[in-house]
Amino acid sequence: EDKVVQSPLSLVVHEGDTVTLNCSYEVTNFRSLLWYKQEKKAPTFLFMLTSSGIEKKSGRLSSILDKKELFSILNITATQTGDSAVYLCAVQPSTSGTYKYIFGTGTRLKVLA
Amino acid sequence: GAGVSQSPSNKVTEKGKDVELRCDPISGHTALYWYRQSLGQGLEFLIYFQGNSAPDKSGLPSDRFSAERTGGSVSTLTIQRTQQEDSAVYLCASSSARTANQPQHFGDGTRLSIL
Repeated sequence: EDKVVQSPLSLVVHEGDTVTLNCSYEVTNFRSLLWYKQEKKAPTFLFMLTSSGIEKKSGRLSSILDKKELFSILNITATQTGDSAVYLCAVQPSTSGTYKYIFGTGTRLKVLA
Repeated sequence: GAGVSQSPSNKVTEKGKDVELRCDPISGHTALYWYRQSLGQGLEFLIYFQGNSAPDKSGLPSDRFSAERTGGSVSTLTIQRTQQEDSAVYLCASSSARTANQPQHFGDGTRLSIL
């Protein structure tokens, strides 16, 4: 059965800290992995990763994929209170005829001032 | 519209009633997804529509759940004879292309509460 596991489930840090969020997966014929940030309502897209070892970066956020070890990490440096959210990881298996995504349960990050 | 629009934003109903949730995707997006998010949980895939192809219904939890997408645009998720365990946020997402390299854009969801 395809599955995505995120860790830790929750995390509390202080402003300025650096955090690393983990996403491991077991899927049939991996196609892509996505990271989303969910504050109060709609998840917003952060990164899409398809190739191993290529870091994607946006401001203080970066992410990398390891297709051999079947995981991805999301790093946030110099955290701010606005980074407080649930971070979701989703994996798309390569299954003929469908492009559905499998989501992890998310990591709840709280950044204290 | 600028984004994915869902209605209603909140719905409270009694156990046993039927409910309809609506999703209006981003104009031109051919792929549409429905997810369910229970409190403290991740997103559970329900159903996926792509153009005129047969939908992937593999995530629908029971035959009380159904969805349709008319004219390749607006979609309606229907839950019949609601149960308390159906209480959750129902999220809709759309993406622009048939391939994998387009991220999904989500609506704000419908929070469904079954009394």
